[in-house]
Amino acid sequence: DARVTQTPRHKVTEMGQEVTMRCQPILGHNTVFWYRQTMMQGLELLAYFRNRAPLDDSGMPKDRFSAEMPDATLATLKIQPSEPRDSAVYFCASGFGQTYEQYFGPGTRLTVT
Amino acid sequence: GENVEQHPSTLSVQEGDSAVIKCTYSDSASNYFPWYKQELGKRPQLIIDIRSNVGEKKDQRIAVTLNKTAKHFSLHITETQPEDSAVYFCAASKNTGNQFYFGTGTSLTVIP
Repeated sequence: DARVTQTPRHKVTEMGQEVTMRCQPILGHNTVFWYRQTMMQGLELLAYFRNRAPLDDSGMPKDRFSAEMPDATLATLKIQPSEPRDSAVYFCASGFGQTYEQYFGPGTRLTVT
Repeated sequence: GENVEQHPSTLSVQEGDSAVIKCTYSDSASNYFPWYKQELGKRPQLIIDIRSNVGEKKDQRIAVTLNKTAKHFSLHITETQPEDSAVYFCAASKNTGNQFYFGTGTSLTVIP
């Protein structure tokens, strides 16, 4: 049963620190999405990649957030410097560019104090 | 861009009753509409989806209907059970491999 994996599952950090979240998409999937979930905003898209190339990162605060895919099996989302308002659950999802379905990872719960 | 609205935000039903959650979308180019179930502290999981060339789809106790003209789609759960309690999200997408635009979620509670 192939699944998207994410690390770490929980992260508590102090304001100003760098945070890196990692995602391993399902093997063979070529599209990766980063979503942020908060009570106030729900599920919002931050960025997504196809074949490792960024297609849309308009939902991401560019001054502090960056997303990359160093290779086909790893996607990273980095926040530097982190702020309390970044506290949320960050989900990665993967899919195959020729189909519609997206499969979510377990999420990284980030708390910035 | 696309705007997806979802109602109600909370819903309580007695076990065995039916539950209906409704979503509307704004972009007539959207052609794929998935529904996700998210249990507390877990990942969203796809439970059913529908494409724009179909008006209704059913999978056991779950069904989804789509009205393209009115730009709305609904999730129907019959014979609800306590394990159906979760947050349900609708979404819309325009093409394969494209981003989803999510509704704000419906917290469903099934009372035993």
